[in-house]
Amino acid sequence: ETGVTQSPTHLIKTRGQQVTLRCSSQSGHNTVSWYQQALGQGPQFIFQYYREEENGRGNFPPRFSGLQFPNYSSELNVNALELDDSALYLCASSLSPGANTGELFFGEGSRLTVL
Amino acid sequence: AQSVTQLDSQVPVFEEAPVELRCNYSSSVSVYLFWYVQYPNQGLQLLLKYLSGSTLVESINGFEAEFNKSQTSFHLRKPSVHISDTAEYFCAVTPGDRDDKIIFGKGTRLHILP
Repeated sequence: ETGVTQSPTHLIKTRGQQVTLRCSSQSGHNTVSWYQQALGQGPQFIFQYYREEENGRGNFPPRFSGLQFPNYSSELNVNALELDDSALYLCASSLSPGANTGELFFGEGSRLTVL
Repeated sequence: AQSVTQLDSQVPVFEEAPVELRCNYSSSVSVYLFWYVQYPNQGLQLLLKYLSGSTLVESINGFEAEFNKSQTSFHLRKPSVHISDTAEYFCAVTPGDRDDKIIFGKGTRLHILP
């Protein structure tokens, strides 16, 4: 069974640039959630994708966008990067919403630094 | 909106001593509750969860948590900690009728003293 994998693990960008982060979900999972974890904080929910559609969104501006592909892998795109976007971005996969297990399986994250 | 409060940002404790990490949540509906652990330079892993049934839940490595509906709490305890328990612990909640968004607390860093 393959776990959740994210790429890249680390990256550095400058203000105003755009970034794409990638995530492969765990085998058998069709739901992917993205979280932002700033230094010293808990993960903040960005959005969730289920069957290639957005299924819930947290309090993040539209410059945070995502995609889910037919194989359930996912991308997080952030446009017009700001210094405060520096954080660890976590991807988590799970069984479909309504499966009521509530368990997320996390990748190790992509650490983004914006200069 | 639901929220999770972890009252302690850091908890230092001597090895082999007991520990309690506190968690309170705000909700008026049924909830699912979780504790996740994040070891240094790793992603989060589920430690234990409460979905329904017995209010006392246990993990395989000696942690336990008790769901207290009247106090809206889900405190995490371990009777004797080990150096390998050094990590950040996150309490989390999601509505019991849907699990499209899990809300995390800010975390408690458990620091084991030799």
